[in-house]
Amino acid sequence: SQQGEEDPQALSIQEGENATMNCSYKTSINNLQWYRQNSGRGLVHLILIRSNEREKHSGRLRVTLDTSKKSSSLLITASRAADTASYFCATSPTNTGTASKLTFGTGTRLQVTL
Amino acid sequence: NAGVTQTPKFQVLKTGQSMTLQCAQDMNHEYMSWYRQDPGMGLRLIHYSVGAGITDQGEVPNGYNVSRSTTEDFPLRLLSAAPSQTSVYFCASSGLQETQYFGPGTRLLVL
Repeated sequence: SQQGEEDPQALSIQEGENATMNCSYKTSINNLQWYRQNSGRGLVHLILIRSNEREKHSGRLRVTLDTSKKSSSLLITASRAADTASYFCATSPTNTGTASKLTFGTGTRLQVTL
Repeated sequence: NAGVTQTPKFQVLKTGQSMTLQCAQDMNHEYMSWYRQDPGMGLRLIHYSVGAGITDQGEVPNGYNVSRSTTEDFPLRLLSAAPSQTSVYFCASSGLQETQYFGPGTRLLVL
C-alpha cells in the first residue's frame, strides 16, 4: 500500500500563480522527499526535508513538514509553464533498516497554463 | 558521469517469455532499487539492494528476480512474463545523501 497520499490529484493554475500540493503519510519517517516527473521521463529529485526540520527552501520551492500530523506541503511560487509535471512525495520510514528505501505517493498532476 | 542508465527503452514480450531489464550506475552508489509505475499511480518498489551481494524484496516482488554481483549493475529478471507486468520500470540509485537518481525507464508491453 502507498505510504504517501498527495492532494489534490490534479491541479490547474495560470502562469505566475502559486501551486500548493499536500502529502500525508502513515508511519514515522527519517525524511520526506519531493520528486518531479515530466511526461514520459524518470523522476527528478527536488528537495529533501528531515524529520527534525519544519521548513526548507530551494529557489521557488518551499517545503513544510508537520510530523505530528504526518503531513507535508510543497509550494511552488510564481509558477511557469515549465513546471507542468507530476509531483510525488516519498517517505523514508524509520522501520526499514535503510534510510534510502522510499515509499512513493500517488502524485499530483500540475498543469500550468499561459 | 552517465548517471543511471537503463536498457532497453521499450520491449514487447509475449506471455510466458522471460527477459532481463538492465540497470547500471556510475556514481558508486551502494543503494539501488527497481520500481514499476502503472497509469495514474505512483511508483511501487519491486526489489532493492543495499550493496553488492545483498538484495531484498519490496512491495511487489512476485514474478521478478534480482541479483547484485557488482556495485554498478542491478538487473531485473522477469521469469515468465504476464500481461499484469505491462508497466514502466524505473531503476534508481542512492548514495549517502539518500536522494535517489532515476534512470529514464523501460516501457514493457506483455501481450
